[in-house]
Amino acid sequence: NAGVTQTPKFQVLKTGQSMTLQCAQDMNHEYMSWYRQDPGMGLRLIHYSVGAGITDQGEVPNGYNVSRSTTEDFPLRLLSAAPSQTSVYFCASGILPGEAFFGQGTRLTVV
Amino acid sequence: AQSVTQLGSHVSVSEGALVLLRCNYSSSVPPYLFWYVQYPNQGLQLLLKYTSAATLVKGINGFEAEFKKSETSFHLTKPSAHMSDAAEYFCAVIRQGNQFYFGTGTSLTVIP
Repeated sequence: NAGVTQTPKFQVLKTGQSMTLQCAQDMNHEYMSWYRQDPGMGLRLIHYSVGAGITDQGEVPNGYNVSRSTTEDFPLRLLSAAPSQTSVYFCASGILPGEAFFGQGTRLTVV
Repeated sequence: AQSVTQLGSHVSVSEGALVLLRCNYSSSVPPYLFWYVQYPNQGLQLLLKYTSAATLVKGINGFEAEFKKSETSFHLTKPSAHMSDAAEYFCAVIRQGNQFYFGTGTSLTVIP
């Protein structure tokens, strides 16, 4: 069982560069979401999706874009990376309402 | 809006001692409440969840939590700490759909 797969696991970007964090799930969950984890702040919701073609903003959406063209995939795009986006990013999928299944995370450093 | 507050960012217990991690929620309606655990360099794993079926919820690895409406609390306990329990613990609430809102986390250290 693959569950929720995130790639890459580690990434270093220069300020202003763009990149896409990939997230894929094989559990046929309608609900997917992205969180960032920063020390002392827990996990904060960036964007979420309730199904293919439907996305919405969470607590901290600025600087991030998402799209959901298939049930399986929910990529997170950073269009112009900033040092404030240095964080650990987690993707999760789940059912409504119910537990969320998390990926292993992507550790992003912006220099 | 629904939210959770975790009291104590760091908790240390001796091996074999009681573990008590505190979580209070703010909600105008009965919430869905969760405890997740995060081991170093890993993702989050569900420990247990409250969905109004029973106030005392048993989870994995010997953990349990009691929903107390009068105290707006959902504290996590384990009778006897084990070294393998050392991790970060997060209390969370669902607001809408599957949107999780997490507390700031409690780091548990187990002293041999």
